[in-house]
Amino acid sequence: NAGVTQTPKFQVLKTGQSMTLQCAQDMNHNSMYWYRQDPGMGLRLIYYSASEGTTDKGEVPNGYNVSRLNKREFSLRLESAAPSQTSVYFCASSEAHTENYGYTFGSGTRLTVV
Amino acid sequence: QKEVEQNSGPLSVPEGAIASLNCTYSDRGSQSFFWYRQYSGKSPELIMSIYSNGDKEDGRFTAQLNKASQYVSLLIRDSQPSDSATYLCAVKTSGTYKYIFGTGTRLKVLA
Repeated sequence: NAGVTQTPKFQVLKTGQSMTLQCAQDMNHNSMYWYRQDPGMGLRLIYYSASEGTTDKGEVPNGYNVSRLNKREFSLRLESAAPSQTSVYFCASSEAHTENYGYTFGSGTRLTVV
Repeated sequence: QKEVEQNSGPLSVPEGAIASLNCTYSDRGSQSFFWYRQYSGKSPELIMSIYSNGDKEDGRFTAQLNKASQYVSLLIRDSQPSDSATYLCAVKTSGTYKYIFGTGTRLKVLA
């Protein structure tokens, strides 16, 4: 089925550990995004990639890095996990970055940092 | 003031009634407005978009936009228990990546 695929779905990390969240889309979208969702905070943009080969910071980039591996794949890396990074992470894609398109979201990764 | 504000709810309506969900925004440069539905434990799903003042209908859903008053609303007619979810309002400024989500309104449709 066409869409956005995220892995893993669940993860528990110890403080200081690192991990990479994977995201792939098969809709030939140009733009990809990483959001985190916390209770009472809504969805907040971590990083985005307007097109293949470009990445930019969003609202809350500290503690994260990203890689746009190719047009399909956009990964999010936590180099040294902290309890404040406990959240649900969503990858999303859209046809174009600055035009008025909505997003297609992946199913999310529920991350707990202990 | 938050950039996109929604009443967190829960908004409870009986089955078959009209549910009215509201959203206000602060950036007058906002050009595009979206409603997403999010079931508990699931990802947001786009249900409506609106760009011009007035109403836009899609099945049981109607989005209403008033740029002068800076609000956008979503009406759900003939509400069903399956409509019970959190509804997220999102606002985008044209030409930028800035796409701001509200914290969502939880809707409960009572059978």
